[in-house]
Amino acid sequence: EVQLLESGGGLVQAGGSLRLSCAASGFTFSRYVMSWVRQAPGKGLEWVSLISGSGDRTYYSDSVKGRFTISRDNSKNTLYLQMNSLSAEDTAVYYCAKWDDTRMDTPYHGVDVWGQGTTVTVFS
Amino acid sequence: EVVMTQSPLSLPVTLGQPASISCTSSQSLVYSDGSTYLHWFHQRPGQSPRRLIYKVSNRDSGVPDRFSGSGSGTDFTLKISRVEAEDVGVYYCMQGTHWPLTFGGGTKVEIK
Repeated sequence: EVQLLESGGGLVQAGGSLRLSCAASGFTFSRYVMSWVRQAPGKGLEWVSLISGSGDRTYYSDSVKGRFTISRDNSKNTLYLQMNSLSAEDTAVYYCAKWDDTRMDTPYHGVDVWGQGTTVTVFS
Repeated sequence: EVVMTQSPLSLPVTLGQPASISCTSSQSLVYSDGSTYLHWFHQRPGQSPRRLIYKVSNRDSGVPDRFSGSGSGTDFTLKISRVEAEDVGVYYCMQGTHWPLTFGGGTKVEIK
């Protein structure tokens, strides 16, 4: 069974840092584009960052560029998101997501597997 | 950036009746390979999203055939032929043709 299990969310003061992890199983992790997608309370979905299967290419949304870093360890089947300089606007549920894509270019087929989400709350 | 606009924002439906959600993009979603990368997701209350439909009209594995997707160019529709209680939640369209990828704002389906 394909599974994504996030961890690392929590309460953090504005300006602080947090590192999210996502343990993947049930598929060949290194083949697929992975990402973090977030959802602020009562809001819609927003992709945050994507990373290629090998980890050599990354994309970030403008809202997190320069503050967040996505990475992966294919030997451990684990995806990471290092979040720095957090603000209240980063408060959200963060989903680890497997994209139905092996190439890091358009066109994209969308997310075919979602984690259960981990909550990040930034307070001032 | 391609803007994805969904309507309605909220859709009260009667069990057993059909429902229809519209998604309009600010640019054509036809890719150079001739395919259209418009996908639909469903998020039940308190749950993670799930992809229902990919490339306009292809149902994902396990998705009931009461769900269907259609459309072309910039105008797309998700239809539920007969709404069941488990269909409540928020439906999102997403385009994968142009960078950056963008989601629609969502349509909340609830039972009357």
